[in-house]
Amino acid sequence: DGGITQSPKYLFRKEGQNVTLSCEQNLNHDAMYWYRQDPGQGLRLIYYSQIVNDFQKGDIAEGYSVSREKKESFPLTVTSAQKNPTAFYLCASSVIHGYEQFFGPGTRLTVL
Amino acid sequence: AQTVTQSQPEMSVQEAETVTLSCTYDTSESDYYLFWYKQPPSRQMILVIRQEAYKQQNATENRFSVNFQKAAKSFSLKISDSQLGDAAMYFCAYRIPGGGADGLTFGKGTHLIIQP
Repeated sequence: DGGITQSPKYLFRKEGQNVTLSCEQNLNHDAMYWYRQDPGQGLRLIYYSQIVNDFQKGDIAEGYSVSREKKESFPLTVTSAQKNPTAFYLCASSVIHGYEQFFGPGTRLTVL
Repeated sequence: AQTVTQSQPEMSVQEAETVTLSCTYDTSESDYYLFWYKQPPSRQMILVIRQEAYKQQNATENRFSVNFQKAAKSFSLKISDSQLGDAAMYFCAYRIPGGGADGLTFGKGTHLIIQP
């Protein structure tokens, strides 16, 4: 079945540690996105990539980094520079400039 | 910058009744897309309906329909014959087709409660 997978579902991290969230898609989509969701808030765009080896900052990129070495994969690293990393993180993909973004099931990150 | 506003943090409706969720947006673009996404307790984002700004006809998907008022920058979602499975967070979202910046701009959401 085609879709987007995110792992792990729940992630715990100690303060000061970097952590990487996985996102994989087998939809053959060129574009991939990372969003952050906080309680009572909508989703906010962290980073996006429209092609392999290229990515752009979204609205809240500070404290995050990404890579796009393969079309299918778009991992997000939450660095120790991110002041409030506890949140729900959603990955999405779409055809280039397509209408719909397809979302993964999300990763809940908690900083202890 | 584009903004999306959902003025109703929470709405409640009786099962089988009709409910309308409000959304307004601010943009200087003439061509854009608008979406309603549903997020049930599983937190999976599900596309409910979409509207292209250049289309005057309001989009409809089964029990879901929109009232798109381009001049007023309003994009409300009407759910007819509400069902228990409709209970979820609903997010209005905006996107510019093509161009440089990409990604969706979301409102803060409306929590829809269905009363049995």
